[in-house]
Amino acid sequence: DSGVTQTPKHLITATGQRVTLRCSPRSGDLSVYWYQQSLDQGLQFLIQYYNGEERAKGNILERFSAQQFPDLHSELNLSSLELGDSALYFCASSVALAGGPTGELFFGEGSRLTVL
Amino acid sequence: GENVEQHPSTLSVQEGDSAVIKCTYSDSASNYFPWYKQELGKRPQLIIDIRSNVGEKKDQRIAVTLNKTAKHFSLHITETQPEDSAVYFCAGLSGGYNKLIFGAGTRLAVHP
Repeated sequence: DSGVTQTPKHLITATGQRVTLRCSPRSGDLSVYWYQQSLDQGLQFLIQYYNGEERAKGNILERFSAQQFPDLHSELNLSSLELGDSALYFCASSVALAGGPTGELFFGEGSRLTVL
Repeated sequence: GENVEQHPSTLSVQEGDSAVIKCTYSDSASNYFPWYKQELGKRPQLIIDIRSNVGEKKDQRIAVTLNKTAKHFSLHITETQPEDSAVYFCAGLSGGYNKLIFGAGTRLAVHP
């Protein structure tokens, strides 16, 4: 158990719909990262937050948005869903920033989104 | 922006053989290079990392080497075992400490 909690574990929805994925980081971790992993694909960086502030963006679609709340949990919102959005969405957390003194990212179990 | 290329995409070895996975990176400012292992249906987990002030790091059967001049780093697994079968991802930093960019992954199969 990494200490990172993601909900829901599985989600099936239809095209055009909107979903929210939730992530609770490890206790004490200030950084939250979101990655998308499509079938047999790598880990595509979406966005990163540190202590409530957005710090970096990857190739995140405009239909996607995220935020980190004062209690440090984060939500990833996916709207106007398309078939190609079907993927495993990972949240990861770290104490500080990725390359800092304690750079390890701890991943949650992921939220598997299926768009039909 | 940062790009991390990883090869091979698949690697098949016999138990006891060595396995080597190579990555190259584009951001010369990158100074942190971790390797993550993802077993089937599970989350990625850090197995080893190296910083740019070190050329090699070992942890039992796993070692990572870094060549900053050539901008490439490699994972070496010796005496492979069936439980080493997994997808291995290299990664590099971009944008200071804010982006950890992963390679496309290498699917390693260790046959008994």
